[in-house]
Amino acid sequence: KQEVTQIPAALSVPEGENLVLNCSFTDSAIYNLQWFRQDPGKGLTSLLLIQSSQREQTSGRLNASLDKSSGRSTLYIAASQPGDSATYLCAVPILYNTDKLIFGTGTRLQVFP
Amino acid sequence: DTAVSQTPKYLVTQMGNDKSIKCEQNLGHDTMYWYKQDSKKFLKIMFSYNNKELIINETVPNRFSPKSPDKAHLNLHINSLELGDSAVYFCASSQAGTDYGYTFGSGTRLTVV
Repeated sequence: KQEVTQIPAALSVPEGENLVLNCSFTDSAIYNLQWFRQDPGKGLTSLLLIQSSQREQTSGRLNASLDKSSGRSTLYIAASQPGDSATYLCAVPILYNTDKLIFGTGTRLQVFP
Repeated sequence: DTAVSQTPKYLVTQMGNDKSIKCEQNLGHDTMYWYKQDSKKFLKIMFSYNNKELIINETVPNRFSPKSPDKAHLNLHINSLELGDSAVYFCASSQAGTDYGYTFGSGTRLTVV
């Protein structure tokens, strides 16, 4: 059974710091991995999608890496800003059944000025 | 705007009532989902539909009945609402067989009093 966990559960940092958020999954046979952002009271915004054949994806100040063999993904946020404050979620679909996403427990990030 | 839109955004109702949440996507996706986010912010799939056909039903009480009149719409009807149904319900869509991941709606916060 696939289980996805995220560390840390919460993070509070001053503006400008580079951050690493961690995502671990128990079954390394994944199809892809997706990182989302959720703002308070809002929906989920897709940030990055990494296919199982890829090792990393980049979008602006965000870089996500994937190490399937060790069951880990990291989301790197460069030069953090107060606007980055949100909850970050990683999710993987069940292998051979991409209709079902298993979500991680989330990392709540606060970046203060 | 291309998006997944769901209504209403907020819903407050009394125990025992019946309510519906509507979802529409204009992305041309063939698969739609309902996810539930509980008070601990954990997201879990409830249903998925592919081209109007039910694909996943994740041990959800039969008081919850999804309806898909066409592949662009997936509505969620809930009978005899209970206090424990209070949560945020998210609609999402994806295109099977592609690498584009999921797109989520902004959520419906249901409060049962």
